[in-house]
Amino acid sequence: AQSVTQLDSHVSVSEGTPVLLRCNYSSSYSPSLFWYVQHPNKGLQLLLKYTSAATLVKGINGFEAEFKKSETSFHLTKPSAHMSDAAEYFCVVSDSNDYKLSFGAGTTVTVRA
Amino acid sequence: EAGVAQSPRYKIIEKRQSVAFWCNPISGHATLYWYQQILGQGPKLLIQFQNNGVVDDSQLPKDRFSAERLKGVDSTLKIQPAKLEDSAVYLCASSPWGEGSQYFGPGTRLTVL
Repeated sequence: AQSVTQLDSHVSVSEGTPVLLRCNYSSSYSPSLFWYVQHPNKGLQLLLKYTSAATLVKGINGFEAEFKKSETSFHLTKPSAHMSDAAEYFCVVSDSNDYKLSFGAGTTVTVRA
Repeated sequence: EAGVAQSPRYKIIEKRQSVAFWCNPISGHATLYWYQQILGQGPKLLIQFQNNGVVDDSQLPKDRFSAERLKGVDSTLKIQPAKLEDSAVYLCASSPWGEGSQYFGPGTRLTVL
C-alpha cells in the first residue's frame, strides 16, 4: 500500500521569503511522486513529478522538489514566494505498476504582503 | 490543446434526488478517472476507466453511484439517490496510456441539502 503524509496543514510566509512544504511517503514499489497545486475554485495543476531520474526535480513557477529515498521524503521548495502562490498543495504518490494516485491531505499556503 | 472539460461547474440538490456529472477528457487520453474531494481533504479515487472498460471501481459506492464511458471518450458519473455526505467536489482526470501524470478538469461542486 502507498500513502503520503504532508507534515504541515498550513504554512504562512511573507512575500519574497522561501517556502518549504514537507512530504513523507510510503510505497512498496519504486514510486512516482508528484506535487499538484489547487487554486480556489480551480482544478488541480501538476507542478512537478519524480519518476526515478534526477533526484532534484524542477517544476513550473520556480518550484522544485528533492527525492530522498533514505528519508522517504519529497519536500517542495521555492526560494521566493509570490502572492500568486497562495493555494492548496498536494503531495501525491503513485505505484509505477498501476499509476493510481494517492493524495496527501494537503497544505494550505498563505502569502503575506 | 484543450484541457479536461467538466459540467456543470456547480450543482445544488435536495437529498434523495439524482444528479449526473459529465466529463470530456483530453483528446487521445485512454485513461479516465473520477475523484471525490471532500472539503479539507485530498481527492479520493472513485473509478478508473481504460478506454471503455472499468479498471478499478473498488472505492465506488455502487449502491448509489454509477459511471459509464460507453464510447471510450467522454464519461458520466451519476448519484442516485444523493445523501448529505455526498457534498463534495467531483474531479475528472485523464492520462495517456502508460503515463503516470494525470490532468485534471476544474471539477463539479455538489451541494446536497
